[in-house]
Parts: sequence; C-alpha cells; structure tokens
Amino acid sequence: AQTVTQSQPEMSVQEAETVTLSCTYDTSENNYYLFWYKQPPSRQMILVIRQEAYKQQNATENRFSVNFQKAAKSFSLKISDSQLGDTAMYFCAFRAGGTSYGKLTFGQGTILTVHP
Amino acid sequence: KAGVTQTPRYLIKTRGQQVTLSCSPISGHRSVSWYQQTPGQGLQFLFEYFSETQRNKGNFPGRFSGRQFSNSRSEMNVSTLELGDSALYLCASSWDGQVKDTQYFGPGTRLTVL
Repeated sequence: AQTVTQSQPEMSVQEAETVTLSCTYDTSENNYYLFWYKQPPSRQMILVIRQEAYKQQNATENRFSVNFQKAAKSFSLKISDSQLGDTAMYFCAFRAGGTSYGKLTFGQGTILTVHP
Repeated sequence: KAGVTQTPRYLIKTRGQQVTLSCSPISGHRSVSWYQQTPGQGLQFLFEYFSETQRNKGNFPGRFSGRQFSNSRSEMNVSTLELGDSALYLCASSWDGQVKDTQYFGPGTRLTVL
C-alpha cells in the first residue's frame, strides 16, 4: 500500500517570498505520478503541478516548481513570489499504475497562509 | 469546457436516512472517482467508475455504493446514515482513469448528518 506524508500541518510566508512544502511517500511501484493540489477556502480542489516518476527533470509551472528526489521518495513544492491568492490547504498526492484505477492517495495536507 | 459539477452542494440528513449525491464529469471524461474528506481522516478514496463499471474500490463499508450512467454521470448513495458520514464528498473526473491521467475535481457536496 502507498502512503503519503506531509509533515508540516501549517506554514506561513510573507507576500513575495518563497516557501517550500514537504512531502514524502512510500511505494514499491515503479510506474507512478505525483501531484500537488491546492484547496482554497472555497473547497474547490485545483491541480497545481504534476510529476511523472520516470522523468528526472523537475516539473515547473510558472511560480510553482517541485524538487523530486526519487531515491529518497521526496516530492517538495516550492512557491516563489508568494501571493495572497496562494493561501490554501495544499495536498500532496500519489497515483500508481496497474489496477489502481482512478485512485489518488493524499497526504494530510499543509495549510499555507500568505501574509501581506 | 464546463468543469465537474456536483449536486446538491449542501445536504442535511438525520441518522438512519439514505442520501444520493450526483456528479457530472467534464465532457468527454469517462472516469469518475469519489472521495470523502473529513478533518480526522483527510481525503479518502471511495470508488471509481468507468464505462458504467466499478473498477476500483476503497475501504468503505457496503453502505457506500455508486453507479455510473451511459453519459458518464455518476451517483453515489449512502444508506443508513451515521453521524460519522458527515463530510465533504468530492468527485473527480478524468479521461480514462489511468496513471498518467489528471483528475479534475468538482466543488463537493457538504453532507451533515444529525
């Protein structure tokens, strides 16, 4: 079974600064994807970024980038130039291949607050 | 393209009743997954449907069931409601539910059981 751990229940950052959210996972699978989703107070889950396990290059989406360390089973999210709209709960999620159709395994989440 | 829609957005029920929640996926998406979100247990996978067939199921009791229609719309049903079933229920759709497929989430249905 796969597990996803987010060790930071809460984080805060000043507007325009950089923050890194941590995530570790455990799996014996070789074929998998990793995701970061954000859930603002509206509760709508929004995809932030995704990473394929076979790709060594770290994914980047505008101000969001990941540091994917496959051997260490670590998948951290870096948010640069933080904005007030980044305030949300952030979830790290794992998706395995094989027969795990449609299943995301989520971490417990990190509440990020961006202060003006 | 319209996003994933869920109805109703809010529900209040009493213990012992049953409830049906609905999810309409993004047009063209054939895989629909359901999740339960609670403060204590976090986000947990309930089940996934593809082409009207349940392909995957999480560790929930049989009181939780679902189905999918030919137009890919999905419903989930919870019978004999318990207080612990109070949660935000999220559905997510994707093209085919495979590993590389990204899931897009609906706004959720907030269920309160009194």
